[in-house]
Amino acid sequence: GAVVSQHPSRVICKSGTSVKIECRSLDFQATTMFWYRQFPKQSLMLMATSNEGSKATYEQGVEKDKFLINHASLTLSTLTVTSAHPEDSSFYICSAFLRLTGDTGELFFGEGSRLTVL
Amino acid sequence: GNSVTQMEGPVTLSEEAFLTINCTYTATGYPSLFWYVQYPGEGLQLLLKATKADDKGSNKGFEATYRKETTSFHLEKGSVQVSDSAVYFCALRYNFNKFYFGSGTKLNVKP
Repeated sequence: GAVVSQHPSRVICKSGTSVKIECRSLDFQATTMFWYRQFPKQSLMLMATSNEGSKATYEQGVEKDKFLINHASLTLSTLTVTSAHPEDSSFYICSAFLRLTGDTGELFFGEGSRLTVL
Repeated sequence: GNSVTQMEGPVTLSEEAFLTINCTYTATGYPSLFWYVQYPGEGLQLLLKATKADDKGSNKGFEATYRKETTSFHLEKGSVQVSDSAVYFCALRYNFNKFYFGSGTKLNVKP
């Protein structure tokens, strides 16, 4: 099946620094990718929709200046957590949408990135 | 609006027990419904799906039927194994490629 790779899988940084997480679709082109944040009690929150060649669409309550998303190519989207603080510590998961026929498609997920801000 | 509600966990079962994880949804129109599974430290994997009412999705012994009349998509398995221990997410797809996820249900299967 289709593969989505996320890197790094774990990152520890100091408060105030910025961290970049990459999401790549390895064997298909994804015009749309999504970024989620997973909280300790397992709930998955959609943060933003990343559109290739255009600005990301952020969900209500998500700070676009703090969580910078760039979808520079059909196989790569990046999430940069700027000026990270301990409350940004979380598990971040990306997904890429593989369009099949008509309006059908399937969502493939990366392995997730565990961010710890000290 | 669109939402997904699934039973809170954790659910703890003995090996070979019967599993049901409830999922209900609210949506405009006729969304596609999904179950995803997340093993420890990993991303989500598609477990099964159903695209229209009365469809039954099945995979690896798991089943779920799209019930429009009760707006439900409950996950079932007749005999769970220790290797089924994971977090299970119910999800609906709307607006072509946007997904809403439930809060997840952790399943612990004991030998």
